[in-house]
Amino acid sequence: DAGVIQSPRHEVTEMGQEVTLRCKPISGHNSLFWYRQTMMRGLELLIYFNNNVPIDDSGMPEDRFSAKMPNASFSTLKIQPSEPRDSAVYFCASSLVGAAANYGYTFGSGTRLTVV
Amino acid sequence: DAKTTQPNSMESNEEEPVHLPCNHSTISGTDYIHWYRQLPSQGPEYVIHGLTSNVNNRMASLAIAEDRKSSTLILHRATLRDAAVYYCILRALNRGSQGNLIFGKGTKLSVKP
Repeated sequence: DAGVIQSPRHEVTEMGQEVTLRCKPISGHNSLFWYRQTMMRGLELLIYFNNNVPIDDSGMPEDRFSAKMPNASFSTLKIQPSEPRDSAVYFCASSLVGAAANYGYTFGSGTRLTVV
Repeated sequence: DAKTTQPNSMESNEEEPVHLPCNHSTISGTDYIHWYRQLPSQGPEYVIHGLTSNVNNRMASLAIAEDRKSSTLILHRATLRDAAVYYCILRALNRGSQGNLIFGKGTKLSVKP
């Protein structure tokens, strides 16, 4: 199993540009999570999908952020327009979540975003 | 939400056991205790989890107090590769979004050769 795959690994963009981060979860996992990590705020949960449906997006910082999961094998996190304060490492994780399941999350290697 | 308290940092010598403590005095009956670690420049990695009984796996052991208000992650022989930030997280079962992993600041473990 290749694990959770994120792309790109690094992204440098100018303020105001649109940024799209991509994630391929582990096959068979039914839940996907987007996290953001900064030195100041640590790891923050942005949004959570279950069976491709967004369940909780209360962690999304503002309307400039949006996430989609068109199918079980792909998700995107989009920032439009990007701002320097969006600079962070963005992690995607997947898991098998259910009434009787209590499995761990598998995280990708992250995308380091720098907005200049 | 039930929260955890961990020391900010700990040091260990290589090949010695390490005991990483976690306090969770407001834990509820359906909260599982999860441990993750994050190596430098990597995503978090699942280590172990438990509910009431002590647990062992190839990476570590988890000792849970009888009243469940605290737990200890045990690395039996620390290696340089174990230097990481270790997170103790309570995860509620069967409570929808409340069962999501919410990370605190964790304990930064340094391992000296």
